[in-house]
Amino acid sequence: GAGVSQSPSNKVTEKGKDVELRCDPISGHTALYWYRQRLGQGLEFLIYFQGNSAPDKSGLPSDRFSAERTGESVSTLTIQRTQQEDSAVYLCASSLASGGLLHFGNGTRLTVT
Amino acid sequence: DAKTTQPPSMDCAEGRAANLPCNHSTISGNEYVYWYRQIHSQGPQYIIHGLKNNETNEMASLIITEDRKSSTLILPHATLRDTAVYYCIVGGDYNYGQNFVFGPGTRLSVLP
Repeated sequence: GAGVSQSPSNKVTEKGKDVELRCDPISGHTALYWYRQRLGQGLEFLIYFQGNSAPDKSGLPSDRFSAERTGESVSTLTIQRTQQEDSAVYLCASSLASGGLLHFGNGTRLTVT
Repeated sequence: DAKTTQPPSMDCAEGRAANLPCNHSTISGNEYVYWYRQIHSQGPQYIIHGLKNNETNEMASLIITEDRKSSTLILPHATLRDTAVYYCIVGGDYNYGQNFVFGPGTRLSVLP
């Protein structure tokens, strides 16, 4: 079946612009995660959605970052007034419930010039 | 901070077994050990997980010590396509969000 889909796969933007990254989780997966991965580094947790519960936003690095999820479907990660340090791969993962069996998309590579 | 520690890199000859260690000395009684790998330019891919007993699937075997403070992922016959970064994480059914911490992992290079 279809896996986690992320779009766009690549995004180049100018410093100061806003960007929206999209994640389509696997159908039926109630949990959704966003991670950031800088070049050569591990995954940095950003935000977690579980069903209709309030999202865990504890990993968002600044108020320029926000995310939404419509029910148990698509999620968008928005970065306002992008900075060069925001350049990274942004990975989305979903799972059936809370727990460690995560299904990842291939990420969006964001480059801020 | 990651609840696991792994060596930053390892080499393995093609066709030989690759044994990747992971220390998780603070693991809780009901937390599982999960292994993922990330091949260049792709998202991480689930490999295997276990609680207490050793586990085996079509991709790998997982050996967990009796005290559960460490584990080893075994790729029995490594191929060039197994070159990747391997992540060991711990978590349970109650874990979520920031509790799933992916550290820098082990960069495995399979050499011809």
